Amino acid sequence: EPEVTQTPSHQVTQMGQEVILRCVPISNHLYFYWYRQILGQKVEFLVSFYNNEISEKSEIFDDQFSVERPDGSNFTLKIRSTKLEDSAMYFCASRRSGASYEQYFGPGTRLTVT
Amino acid sequence: RKEVEQDPGPFNVPEGATVAFNCTYSNSASQSFFWYRQDCRKEPKLLMSVYSSGNEDGRFTAQLNRASQYISLLIRDSKLSDSATYLCVVNSRAAGNKLTFGGGTRVLVKP
Repeated sequence: EPEVTQTPSHQVTQMGQEVILRCVPISNHLYFYWYRQILGQKVEFLVSFYNNEISEKSEIFDDQFSVERPDGSNFTLKIRSTKLEDSAMYFCASRRSGASYEQYFGPGTRLTVT
Repeated sequence: RKEVEQDPGPFNVPEGATVAFNCTYSNSASQSFFWYRQDCRKEPKLLMSVYSSGNEDGRFTAQLNRASQYISLLIRDSKLSDSATYLCVVNSRAAGNKLTFGGGTRVLVKP
């Protein structure tokens, strides 16, 4: 069964550093998403991406965040200058298209900012 | 009012018993509804979509009440492996199909 994959599984970085989180969505999916979950809190939407552009973003997704689909398979989330409060699990999700609204999640990247 | 509200539990359930829990949502424009399951420190996994007519998948039954804006999940013949946090999730197509998650209901099935 096809799966969303994410790398790395765990990233430790110092405050102020840039990080890039990588995702490979399911191959025939066209809609891509990033969510985050701070420890002990609910899953929160960050951004949705379709046809090489952002279709929706949350208040969390400020100028420090960016997304890119650099090639036909990868989907990346970049945080330019990390803050302590960026420490969270970051989940990538993808959705096929059309009338199917079900999103499938990758295993997540645990980001720890020190 | 929270967009998606759930009883956090935990619901302590004897193995083999039935457990049911609800969630409520505030946005009447929500159009698609799901139950996801999340194990500790893992990703949400789609359990089932919830349809207006209600739907069943094995031991799991989901119901949607649009008038009262609540969704329910019932688990029959609980197994130890059903222990998890169950996330109520709604989708608004008007908002880029982003998913809005509830805080989850924790279920602990005990022998």
